[in-house]
Amino acid sequence: DQQVKQNSPSLSVQEGRISILNCDYTNSMFDYFLWYKKYPAEGPTFLISISSIKDKNEDGRFTVFLNKSAKHLSLHIVPSQPGDSAVYFCAAKWRNYKLTFGKGTLLTVNP
Amino acid sequence: EAGVAQSPRYKIIEKRQSVAFWCNPISGHATLYWYQQILGQGPKLLIQFQNNGVVDDSQLPKDRFSAERLKGVDSTLKIQPAKLEDSAVYLCASSLNGVNQPQHFGDGTRLSIL
Repeated sequence: DQQVKQNSPSLSVQEGRISILNCDYTNSMFDYFLWYKKYPAEGPTFLISISSIKDKNEDGRFTVFLNKSAKHLSLHIVPSQPGDSAVYFCAAKWRNYKLTFGKGTLLTVNP
Repeated sequence: EAGVAQSPRYKIIEKRQSVAFWCNPISGHATLYWYQQILGQGPKLLIQFQNNGVVDDSQLPKDRFSAERLKGVDSTLKIQPAKLEDSAVYLCASSLNGVNQPQHFGDGTRLSIL
């Protein structure tokens, strides 16, 4: 049972444009959501997070939106840069229980 | 600040052999996690330690996998005997205590079983 779903295996965007990565979840108990970025042969790097009491969190070029009624979150990257090319993982947790990860979306930003 | 250190980076063994991985978390991080990441999947938690006590090992195949965190700092994960389906990247992560602290990952050990 996949509780965190990233339905787009890949996304290609032009440099300078907006990248939107999507994530859906099924467990309404999740109260904390995170995005990680992963380069090849490296471990995932924490990018940004959001608590379920908020609907938006912003950090520089990265913004995460949470729609609890739709059980959906998205990561916006504006403007996209070639160095943003990586696999992006969405993850969710409830209280101190384990993080549940999606399968990831490969983002390619073309110069 | 030094990150999470893991070794070795790569390991190739034959099935039924044993293997061990080592992890040193970020200084001051009381919580340590071991994840298994199979190609094309997200990381899956194997075991979580709080200091040197186990918080969650519900997804650890205990007939072949074991982990310890003596003295509440570094940790080892062992597989004995290895099976073909254990081929994966094994990631260690650590976090501070407290609610909603992000986990910080090491670069992992890529294990190939022949």
